[in-house]
Amino acid sequence: EVQLVQSGAEVKKPGESLKISCKGSGYSFTSYWIGWVRQMPGKGLEWMGIIYPGDSDTRYSPSFQGQVTISADKSISTAYLQWSSLKASDSAMYYCARQGNWIDPWGQGTLVTVSS
Amino acid sequence: SYELTQPPSVSVSPGQTARITCSGDALPKKYAYWYQQKSGQAPVLVIYEDSKRPSGIPERFSGSRSGTMATLTISGAQVEDEADYHCYSTDSSNNHWVFGGGTKLTVL
Repeated sequence: EVQLVQSGAEVKKPGESLKISCKGSGYSFTSYWIGWVRQMPGKGLEWMGIIYPGDSDTRYSPSFQGQVTISADKSISTAYLQWSSLKASDSAMYYCARQGNWIDPWGQGTLVTVSS
Repeated sequence: SYELTQPPSVSVSPGQTARITCSGDALPKKYAYWYQQKSGQAPVLVIYEDSKRPSGIPERFSGSRSGTMATLTISGAQVEDEADYHCYSTDSSNNHWVFGGGTKLTVL
């Protein structure tokens, strides 16, 4: 069974850094893109960007370019989403998902709360 | 940047047909995909490549695309179909994927 398991919920203060993870299993991790999607409270889904773990080719939505960093460690089948300096507006649910021509399956989501 | 436009809400009675639209300038040449998201859960793919259903998705879910508009149709909507529905596609360059704003379907 193809699965993506994300790291647990985080509570951080503004200005702190954060790296959340997404571990793939049940398929060849290096052969599929992994995407990240943000969902702010009560809002829709926003495509943030994708990474191809096989060669670390990364593409960002213009809205998120420079705001986050997407990376992957293929030796442990894990993708990452990181922030160097969090803002309150980064509070949201973040999903990773396997992306081919469509996104499927999805991870269970990681809730990030940024509050002073 | 590229945008997909959905109505914020659609409401039907049980057994009626619900239609949710998604419009975008690149849709004449790009597939549309549809996701169902129930409260507190991760999205689930219900339609891919405009009109194909993944295994396990009920036959009452169907999709179509014409010109700049894609449509998700739920024939004989049931109370358990109440959810947010999101369309998904790519811009003409295939470099950026986008979601529509989402449509809240109410069945009551």
